[in-house]
Amino acid sequence: QTVVTQEPSFSVSPGGTVTLTCGLSSGSVSTSYYPSWYQQTPAQAPRTLIYSTNSRSSGVPDRFSGSILGNKAALTITGAQADDESDYYCVLYMGSGIWVFGGGTKLTVL
Amino acid sequence: QVQLVESGGGLVKPGGSLRLSCVASGFTFSDYYMSWIRQAPGKGLEWVSYISSSASNIYYADSVKGRFTISRDNAKNLLYLQMESLRADDTAVYYCARDPCRSTSCYYMDVWGKGTTVTVSS
Repeated sequence: QTVVTQEPSFSVSPGGTVTLTCGLSSGSVSTSYYPSWYQQTPAQAPRTLIYSTNSRSSGVPDRFSGSILGNKAALTITGAQADDESDYYCVLYMGSGIWVFGGGTKLTVL
Repeated sequence: QVQLVESGGGLVKPGGSLRLSCVASGFTFSDYYMSWIRQAPGKGLEWVSYISSSASNIYYADSVKGRFTISRDNAKNLLYLQMESLRADDTAVYYCARDPCRSTSCYYMDVWGKGTTVTVSS
């Protein structure tokens, strides 16, 4: 059973930079997994941030960026703002019509 | 305005059944692949099922395979999730979501509904 791993929590200071990662319990994440990232605030539907590793969804500020760092997908927030405090989820496409979400990272801005 | 609205959630006893619906508007529903994703209370997102635009390709997470059935009515702009043999761990908010590429997959979801809540409890 493939597990997609994310940091359970992270904190960043206002104006700071934070990088959240998305890995695999076994193996490396590559662009072939089409990693995408979603932001979710409590009681709200997820919002799409990044798709296909590093493409920003429409309307997403350019302080959000995606990449592959080492053997993981990464979401970097540059110049963090208070309203970036949210849960962030990555999802990887495993092939054969199957997606697996990571457990999510709770980001605190303080 | 592109929109997805789920309905059909509610309280059901273990072993029971429920059918969720998702009505699409603002785009040509029949062109797009669709997914169901769920989120248990206080937990993360879990991909549930995926259907191609013509319903020729359908996939399920192992956790629901054999119990849930995804389908669509392109004439009515409706996506469905028929859930059978429900268990307590199926309790979740169920979201429908669109894959943004026409007649193929872009391997992500760009539009999400607000979700409908399913509670499985005796």
